[in-house]
Amino acid sequence: AQSVTQLDSHVSVSEGTPVLLRCNYSSSYSPSLFWYVQHPNKGLQLLLKYTSAATLVKGINGFEAEFKKSETSFHLTKPSAHMSDAAEYFCVVSEWIGTASKLTFGTGTRLQVTL
Amino acid sequence: DAGVTQSPTHLIKTRGQQVTLRCSPKSGHDTVSWYQQALGQGPQFIFQYYEEEERQRGNFPDRFSGHQFPNYSSELNVNALLLGDSALYLCASSWGTLEADTQYFGPGTRLTVL
Repeated sequence: AQSVTQLDSHVSVSEGTPVLLRCNYSSSYSPSLFWYVQHPNKGLQLLLKYTSAATLVKGINGFEAEFKKSETSFHLTKPSAHMSDAAEYFCVVSEWIGTASKLTFGTGTRLQVTL
Repeated sequence: DAGVTQSPTHLIKTRGQQVTLRCSPKSGHDTVSWYQQALGQGPQFIFQYYEEEERQRGNFPDRFSGHQFPNYSSELNVNALLLGDSALYLCASSWGTLEADTQYFGPGTRLTVL
């Protein structure tokens, strides 16, 4: 079975400084990986998706993630944090079961952005 | 372009009751998946519907059932509610088979079981 591990449950950065949210994956084949963001009392918004076309994936709101097979990692980064980035971030792997796709979520990383 | 919509927003039920949650997929999408998100946890896959049939199911008891209608909208039914069923229930939609893993989520229905 596919799985993801988010290495930090909570990350705090100052506004304007870089963001790094870490994720390792476990997969028996080349996976599809995602990052989703969830603002308080809101649904999940897709930030970006990796599907093996390119190892560096650019997403919305200035976020990007790099797929590193040798390290089984898919870390999310942003050069400069904004107050509006404060939210819960989930690393996700998809698993195909026949023709159905099941998403498996990590436990989440809460990003706090301070002035 | 309307995104995924869910109703109701909030719901309060008592143990033993039954509940129905509703979801309308994003325009152009034909596949609906349901997830349960307990407080402080990541979402857990319940099941996925395509062409009005349950295509795959997660590790949830038979008390959880669903339906997909010809217009691709979907319902999630939970019978004999338990306190542990209190959670945010998320619906996600996607298109076809090849893109079924690119799922767009609705705002969720928060269910409280007393």
